[in-house]
Amino acid sequence: GAVVSQHPSRVICKSGTSVKIECRSLDFQATTMFWYRQFPKQSLMLMATSNEGSKATYEQGVEKDKFLINHASLTLSTLTVTSAHPEDSSFYICSAQTEETQYFGPGTRLLVL
Amino acid sequence: DQQVKQNSPSLSVQEGRISILNCDYTNSMFDYFLWYKKYPAEGPTFLISISSIKDKNEDGRFTVFLNKSAKHLSLHIVPSQPGDSAVYFCAATFSGTYKYIFGTGTRLKVLA
Repeated sequence: GAVVSQHPSRVICKSGTSVKIECRSLDFQATTMFWYRQFPKQSLMLMATSNEGSKATYEQGVEKDKFLINHASLTLSTLTVTSAHPEDSSFYICSAQTEETQYFGPGTRLLVL
Repeated sequence: DQQVKQNSPSLSVQEGRISILNCDYTNSMFDYFLWYKKYPAEGPTFLISISSIKDKNEDGRFTVFLNKSAKHLSLHIVPSQPGDSAVYFCAATFSGTYKYIFGTGTRLKVLA
């Protein structure tokens, strides 16, 4: 099946700093990628839809200035958490869309101190 | 407003027996449904899907049943194996969009 990677897998940062998470489709091209957030024992919540070459579409309640998304190529989307705060600590997962389904990355655990 | 619900947070099944995971949805416009399996600290892995024009789809040990009138779908795993122990998420979407709405997940534990 299709492979999606994320980097880093785990990051700890100080409050107020910015963190960039990369999502790559390794063996296919993806016009559309998605960013999700998962809190412990809760569902995956869609944050935004990332479209190659255009602006991301954010879900209601997600601050676009705080969660910057760049989909610069057909194999790479990045999520930057700007001025991170402890409440941003979470598990962030990306996915890449194919004709059949979405393939998910392994996730990034963010801890903001 | 949780449009996709998995009311059982956990399920334990003996190895070799059938595991049945349930999922309910509220929006009758959903027309495509998927099941994903997730291990801790990993991303979800696609298992099986079903279109609303069908009521059953089978792939090896995994079968998904869809009851549109009840807005209910279920995933059957038979026979269950210890390696099936994971969290299972159902997801729903609409044709023409790639946005998935996920349920809250059911943790399956298969006992050896």
